[in-house]
Amino acid sequence: DAKTTQPTSMDCAEGRAANLPCNHSTISGNEYVYWYRQIHSQGPQYIIHGLKNNETNEMASLIITEDRKSSTLILPHATLRDTAVYYCIVRGTSYGKLTFGQGTILTVHP
Amino acid sequence: DTAVSQTPKYLVTQMGNDKSIKCEQNLGHDTMYWYKQDSKKFLKIMFSYNNKELIINETVPNRFSPKSPDKAHLNLHINSLELGDSAVYFCASSQSDQGHNQPQHFGDGTRLSIL
Repeated sequence: DAKTTQPTSMDCAEGRAANLPCNHSTISGNEYVYWYRQIHSQGPQYIIHGLKNNETNEMASLIITEDRKSSTLILPHATLRDTAVYYCIVRGTSYGKLTFGQGTILTVHP
Repeated sequence: DTAVSQTPKYLVTQMGNDKSIKCEQNLGHDTMYWYKQDSKKFLKIMFSYNNKELIINETVPNRFSPKSPDKAHLNLHINSLELGDSAVYFCASSQSDQGHNQPQHFGDGTRLSIL
C-alpha cells in the first residue's frame, strides 16, 4: 500500500475552513484515498474517499490533484467538535486492509 | 442504533488470565476486522474475516484467536494475557468489494488494561 505523509499538527479558527494536506506520491492507479478521523476516546470515523475526481459529502470535501500524488481534505466551517486526529490512507490491494499512519492532529480553537 | 458495538468497553484483568471481547454489527456487512491501538496511538490491523472466513492475519501471536459465529459477529479471545496486550482494541466492519471502494465503520473500542 502506498505510504502517506501528513503534517503532524494544524490549528484552525472556529468557523473557518480547515484544509488538511496529504502527500501520496507512490499511489497506484487503482488505489483510493480515504480520510478518517479519531476524536479522543472514540473509534475512527469515516469521512470521505475518492479515486481521482473531487468528492463532497455532508462532512467534507476531498480535492485530489490531477497526478493523484497529493490530496486535501477540506472541512468548510470547522467547529470545536472537529478537533481530532485526521488520517489520510491510501487503500491498496490488500483485502480490506487500512494502514493508519500518525495522522494530523487538528485543533480548532474559538 | 449503534452500528458496530463492542463489549465490554473497559476490561481490567491480571496477567495470565484469558478474556474475550465481543463485537456485533447491524449494518448487514459481510466483512469484519479487529484493530489494535497501542499506547503510542498507532492503529494496526490484526485480523479480517469475510463471510466467517479468515482472510487477514497480521502476524498476531496465536494467543489471540478470533471467532466468527456468523457474519454479524466477530469475537476476540485472548489467552495468557501479557502486559504488552494492554491497548485499545477496535472492531470494524465493511461490505466486501473488489474495487476497494467500501469504507469501514468502527466501534468505540475496548480498553484492555493488564495488571
